[in-house]
Amino acid sequence: AAGVIQSPRHLIKEKRETATLKCYPIPRHDTVYWYQQGPGQDPQFLISFYEKMQSDKGSIPDRFSAQQFSDYHSELNMSSLELGDSALYFCASSLRWGQGTDTQYFGPGTRLTVL
Amino acid sequence: KNEVEQSPQNLTAQEGEFITINCSYSVGISALHWLQQHPGGGIVSLFMLSSGKKKHGRLIATINIQEKHSSLHITASHPRDSAVYICAVREGSDKLIFGTGTRLQVFP
Repeated sequence: AAGVIQSPRHLIKEKRETATLKCYPIPRHDTVYWYQQGPGQDPQFLISFYEKMQSDKGSIPDRFSAQQFSDYHSELNMSSLELGDSALYFCASSLRWGQGTDTQYFGPGTRLTVL
Repeated sequence: KNEVEQSPQNLTAQEGEFITINCSYSVGISALHWLQQHPGGGIVSLFMLSSGKKKHGRLIATINIQEKHSSLHITASHPRDSAVYICAVREGSDKLIFGTGTRLQVFP
């Protein structure tokens, strides 16, 4: 069965550069979530989208933005990168936003290293 | 105080042992997830619970909504079960609040 796809899997950037992370949800899933997991940290919720609209927002810095496109894939754009942005970024997808009964399926993550 | 707490933080077991990981939460939830994260980083969803008990192979998850507590049990543990097990709760909206994780090592 198709899973959540994230690209790239690994990314190395310099400070103050920009990065774009992509997430392709499971086919027919309409909701995408982004999580950030710093070294030795719990994953933290960043932002979510349902039907191409932002549905919830967590601890996402103003330097980051995200959107969900018409084909339901999502991109997380990160500008003015800082060393502290080095983390594993997970995307998850689910179907039927808000009913509380849908499972989130996680992608393999993108490991971002900022030098 | 974290909204989701797990115990123990680290767990070492011999192959074949019965393992229990506990999760307590302090917020009202609509569902609780047990996740597994391997050293490579990928997260796999093991269970989603809103009441009662679920079983999948050697894994059993239970939840007590009144006590705000859930347990994950692994029967006949195996070295390939070595991973970080994360409890995550869904509070209201769909975002998950993650626990601190339990690092399990199972030795042959």
